Amino acid sequence: DAGVIQSPRHEVTEMGQEVTLRCKPISGHNSLFWYRQTMMRGLELLIYFNNNVPIDDSGMPEDRFSAKMPNASFSTLKIQPSEPRDSAVYFCASSLGLRGANVLTFGAGSRLTVL
Amino acid sequence: AQSVTQLDSHVSVSEGTPVLLRCNYSSSYSPSLFWYVQHPNKGLQLLLKYTSAATLVKGINGFEAEFKKSETSFHLTKPSAHMSDAAEYFCVVSDPVWTGTASKLTFGTGTRLQVTL
Repeated sequence: DAGVIQSPRHEVTEMGQEVTLRCKPISGHNSLFWYRQTMMRGLELLIYFNNNVPIDDSGMPEDRFSAKMPNASFSTLKIQPSEPRDSAVYFCASSLGLRGANVLTFGAGSRLTVL
Repeated sequence: AQSVTQLDSHVSVSEGTPVLLRCNYSSSYSPSLFWYVQHPNKGLQLLLKYTSAATLVKGINGFEAEFKKSETSFHLTKPSAHMSDAAEYFCVVSDPVWTGTASKLTFGTGTRLQVTL
């Protein structure tokens, strides 16, 4: 298995532009998580899905952020409009099952820089 | 609410010497605890996990951790450091299975391990 695949690996954009980050989870995993990592706040859970349904989006910072999971093999995290404070590394992770001591498999991350 | 405190933001050891990365947790329950490692420009990788079975947990690459309820600690150790161990290490807590919210992981702030020759 190729693991969790994220794209793009790096994105530099200007304030106000729309940003779309993509994630392909491990085949067979039915839970998907989006995390954001910054120096100031560490790793924060933004949202997670189970069987393509959003379970908890309480970590999404504001309405500029949205996430979708149209099918079991694809998810997007969109920021519109982007702001400099959104600059961070965004990680996608997947796991098998929602209950239990989940072992999350993380992607390599998408480093976003908003100028 | 669950939380973890990593007591050191940075630890430096010489190659071949023991490693100790400290983590204390706070939980209303007996939690599940994990250690993840992040190498530069990489995603996070699971080192080991504790889920209320044996209190001494062995992980990959020679790492192990001991769950001590009386001290609310879950310190990570390795007898002999290797240069390839240089990375960021995260202590992580989640609710136990029966709460139904075990998927919500809470990460510590991380400890950067430096290994010198």
